[in-house]
Amino acid sequence: KAGVTQTPRYLIKTRGQQVTLSCSPISGHRSVSWYQQTPGQGLQFLFEYFSETQRNKGNFPGRFSGRQFSNSRSEMNVSTLELGDSALYLCASSLAPLGGFNEKLFFGSGTQLSVL
Amino acid sequence: DAKTTQPNSMESNEEEPVHLPCNHSTISGTDYIHWYRQLPSQGPEYVIHGLTSNVNNRMASLAIAEDRKSSTLILHRATLRDAAVYYCILRDKDKFYFGSGTKLNVKP
Repeated sequence: KAGVTQTPRYLIKTRGQQVTLSCSPISGHRSVSWYQQTPGQGLQFLFEYFSETQRNKGNFPGRFSGRQFSNSRSEMNVSTLELGDSALYLCASSLAPLGGFNEKLFFGSGTQLSVL
Repeated sequence: DAKTTQPNSMESNEEEPVHLPCNHSTISGTDYIHWYRQLPSQGPEYVIHGLTSNVNNRMASLAIAEDRKSSTLILHRATLRDAAVYYCILRDKDKFYFGSGTKLNVKP
């Protein structure tokens, strides 16, 4: 069974641009959640999608958005990039909504975004 | 807010047991405690999780305090491949709090 696939693996953008990251979950998984990882702030929850609906959102500005398609694939978009958006962006998939958090998360290897 | 506190780093010798502590004094009654680890250049991987009782699997054991305000991840025999950052994770209302994790160094 294929794991969680994130594309691209590396990305370089300049300030003010926008970027779209992609995440393909494990087959059969309907929940996709996104995380930002930086050396200073560690791993922070961005948002979770289940059955094409955003269920939860972390403490990030509106420049960070996402969506989920009917095949459970998800995209994350960051508009008007800032230098501080440079980070490793991870997505994770699970069978059911995170809810009470009795679900295992399966993470991809992430997309390393550098904003110059 | 539900938060976790872990030591920044720990060191162990190969083939010896390792006890990784986590404090979560504001945990609510229905929150599961999860542990994940992250090897260099990889995404986190699931290790173990539990609610109230101690849990065992092929990777590790999880000991949960009776008052659930702390837990300990136990690696029974550390190997070099166990060198990673270990995260104790709680649900924080509708978000998930990872904390800063413990970097485990395993010496041969």
